[in-house]
Amino acid sequence: AQSVTQPDIHITVSEGASLELRCNYSYGATPYLFWYVQSPGQGLQLLLKYFSGDTLVQGIKGFEAEFKRSQSSFNLRKPSVHWSDAAEYFCAVILTGGGADGLTFGKGTHLIIQP
Amino acid sequence: KAGVTQTPRYLIKTRGQQVTLSCSPISGHRSVSWYQQTPGQGLQFLFEYFSETQRNKGNFPGRFSGRQFSNSRSEMNVSTLELGDSALYLCASSQDSNTGELFFGEGSRLTVL
Repeated sequence: AQSVTQPDIHITVSEGASLELRCNYSYGATPYLFWYVQSPGQGLQLLLKYFSGDTLVQGIKGFEAEFKRSQSSFNLRKPSVHWSDAAEYFCAVILTGGGADGLTFGKGTHLIIQP
Repeated sequence: KAGVTQTPRYLIKTRGQQVTLSCSPISGHRSVSWYQQTPGQGLQFLFEYFSETQRNKGNFPGRFSGRQFSNSRSEMNVSTLELGDSALYLCASSQDSNTGELFFGEGSRLTVL
């Protein structure tokens, strides 16, 4: 069965510092890959997605992610974080062409921003 | 363009009762998916409706059901509530859920006492 692992439950970063959130997936083929963000009391918002092609994808709010097939990873990065980036970040996958199980999400990484 | 609207936002029920949650998708979106979010299990897929038909279903008991109306609005129902059903229930709409690009509502927070 497909699975998504986000090894870091919590990450604390100083404002202005760079950020990398890790995501690994286990799947028989390369799925579609996503990062979603959830602010407190809110629903999820799509940050970026990877379907195919260029392995470095740009998203909203200055985020980017790099797909590495050899490592089955899709890590999220941001060169300089802002206090407003404090939130829960979810990596997600879906079978290429759609899946009967919908999106499979990782457990999430809680990002804390230190002033 | 209005986003995904879920009602009610918060509700409290007791064990054994049933609950109905509503979701209005973004105009023009025909797919509506439901997810359950809990601290222990994270985000889990419940089901997806497309053009009034249930297209996919997650691994939840039959107490969880849903439907979609001709205007794409969707409802989900949970019968015989259990304490473990306490969760944030998220609805998401899309033009094509097979792409995984979902637009989520803010959720309905259900507490079962």
